[in-house]
Amino acid sequence: DAGVIQSPRHEVTEMGQEVTLRCKPISGHNSLFWYRQTMMRGLELLIYFNNNVPIDDSGMPEDRFSAKMPNASFSTLKIQPSEPRDSAVYFCASRTARWGDLETQYFGPGTRLLVL
Amino acid sequence: AQSVTQLGSHVSVSEGALVLLRCNYSSSVPPYLFWYVQYPNQGLQLLLKYTSAATLVKGINGFEAEFKKSETSFHLTKPSAHMSDAAEYFCAVSPGSGNTGKLIFGQGTTLQVKP
Repeated sequence: DAGVIQSPRHEVTEMGQEVTLRCKPISGHNSLFWYRQTMMRGLELLIYFNNNVPIDDSGMPEDRFSAKMPNASFSTLKIQPSEPRDSAVYFCASRTARWGDLETQYFGPGTRLLVL
Repeated sequence: AQSVTQLGSHVSVSEGALVLLRCNYSSSVPPYLFWYVQYPNQGLQLLLKYTSAATLVKGINGFEAEFKKSETSFHLTKPSAHMSDAAEYFCAVSPGSGNTGKLIFGQGTTLQVKP
């Protein structure tokens, strides 16, 4: 299996620009999670989906952030407009519904975002 | 509400020495507990998990952890550190019953292994 795929791996942009992060979960997984990692706040859950439906977006910092999951194999996290304080590593993780492993989240390699 | 506290943001050991990374949790329901490892510039990789079966859990790379309900702890150990163990380690908790899949992470512990 290819694992969780994220793109781009690195993104440098200027304040005010739109940023779109992409994630392809592991095939057959039905839950998808977006996390943000910073030195100050550690790992924070932003939003998660079950069967392509957003279940909990209470971690999304503000309206500038939005996430979609149009189908089972693709999700996006968009920041518009971006600000320097959004600089972080963004991780996507997926989880199966298969009994015996449904507790485990599998993480992608992350997207390192720098907003200048 | 659930929370995780990792005691010690940095731990340094000599190669061959015992590794002990501490994790205490708070949970109003029986928890599931996890240890993840993150190597530089990589994503998180599952080391081991506790899901209400055996309290002593063995994971990959020679790591193990013991769930102690009375102490609300889930400390990670390895008898003999290897240079390749240098990484950041995260303890995480989720509700065991009606598992929503949400993970609450600790702040992480950076393990340094000295030659």
